[in-house]
Amino acid sequence: DTEVTQTPKHLVMGMTNKKSLKCEQHMGHRAMYWYKQKAKKPPELMFVYSYEKLSINESVPSRFSPECPNSSLLNLHLHALQPEDSALYLCASSLGNRVGGDTFGSGTRLTVV
Amino acid sequence: GESVGLHLPTLSVQEGDNSIINCAYSNSASDYFIWYKQESGKGPQFIIDIRSNMDKRQGQRVTVLLNKTVKHLSLQIAATQPGDSAVYFCAEMRDGANNLFFGTGTRLTVIP
Repeated sequence: DTEVTQTPKHLVMGMTNKKSLKCEQHMGHRAMYWYKQKAKKPPELMFVYSYEKLSINESVPSRFSPECPNSSLLNLHLHALQPEDSALYLCASSLGNRVGGDTFGSGTRLTVV
Repeated sequence: GESVGLHLPTLSVQEGDNSIINCAYSNSASDYFIWYKQESGKGPQFIIDIRSNMDKRQGQRVTVLLNKTVKHLSLQIAATQPGDSAVYFCAEMRDGANNLFFGTGTRLTVIP
């Protein structure tokens, strides 16, 4: 199994809603990441979990809250988002030593209305 | 065909020609580099990587060249095919860090 699975693929939410994005991998990777990608822009790192502990938070607003319940799962909890938060949210995982790069999921296309 | 990355974000080539996609990276402390391919509606897909102790690495139809002196990275695709049409990103990792910094990206369009 060499996949990172993200759900849902598409999400439309209001600014007062609470929703969660989910990510799952079964490759035994010990590092997992959330990236945000705006249209025609490169992915931007948001959070890094290493061995289930948050190791990097790239100054992301608190309306984004990551959670790593176990080594295979990564969630991103969303609350009180703004329209400018609309983007493709990508989950990725890696061995932790970056050999072979990150394996990305197909992303969740989020629209905030 | 050839792009200069940040200055020419689009590249169009004829099917069967070779493509060269360029990338200038910013940090001399970066010691690991990766090229990703991103097709519409998909996440980035790993193509090839290179460490700073090398200047060339070859894969299947792809070659990455690294020039540390001028902080320049290139991706060469031989005999470009329609399936190669995508956005290509270079990414750098800095020594001791655990996160990637992505370049601007270049859109490659292959003309049948």
